[in-house]
Amino acid sequence: AQSVTQLDSHVSVSEGTPVLLRCNYSSSYSPSLFWYVQHPNKGLQLLLKYTSAATLVKGINGFEAEFKKSETSFHLTKPSAHMSDAAEYFCVVRGFSGGYNKLIFGAGTRLAVHP
Amino acid sequence: DAGITQSPRYKITETGRQVTLMCHQTWSHSYMFWYRQDLGHGLRLIYYSAAADITDKGEVPDGYVVSRSKTENFPLTLESATRSQTSVYFCASSDLRLAVPQGQFFGPGTRLTVL
Repeated sequence: AQSVTQLDSHVSVSEGTPVLLRCNYSSSYSPSLFWYVQHPNKGLQLLLKYTSAATLVKGINGFEAEFKKSETSFHLTKPSAHMSDAAEYFCVVRGFSGGYNKLIFGAGTRLAVHP
Repeated sequence: DAGITQSPRYKITETGRQVTLMCHQTWSHSYMFWYRQDLGHGLRLIYYSAAADITDKGEVPDGYVVSRSKTENFPLTLESATRSQTSVYFCASSDLRLAVPQGQFFGPGTRLTVL
């Protein structure tokens, strides 16, 4: 079975400082992993995805994530936070059920960015 | 415009009433999904559909009914709304024919309040 655990429900950073949102996964086979972002009162947007090509994945808006099999982690980072990064972030693993790409969501991490 | 749309965006109803949430996508994706988002739970799958006239239950299907007579539409009906169904509902679609899993594309959400 597949699952994801987001280690922090809330993260607060100052504008211009690095962002680290932590995610651990569990999967019985080589996983496909995603990060989605949800801005207030908006739908979910795909930030980046890992599908067993490169272990360092670059996404939109300067975010990137590194797949570490030995640590079963897929942490999301950004070198310098911007006010517009304030949102909720979901780590997601793809699972299979009945042959379709079921997505299993973490509980989310709310990122606050302070001036 | 191409994409995935949901209507209504906001709905207030009373306990016991029937409510239908609409979802429409223009990509001709084969798969469509309904999720609910509640604080502390991330997104939970209600129902999904692999193609027209093919639907199946997700994690939390009780109290909901879906249909898919056309590929582009996937309405979700609450047969007799309860307060516990107050939530934000997201529709999503994906196309498993893609060689690389693209995740799912999400609509903007419907905020439903049951009084």
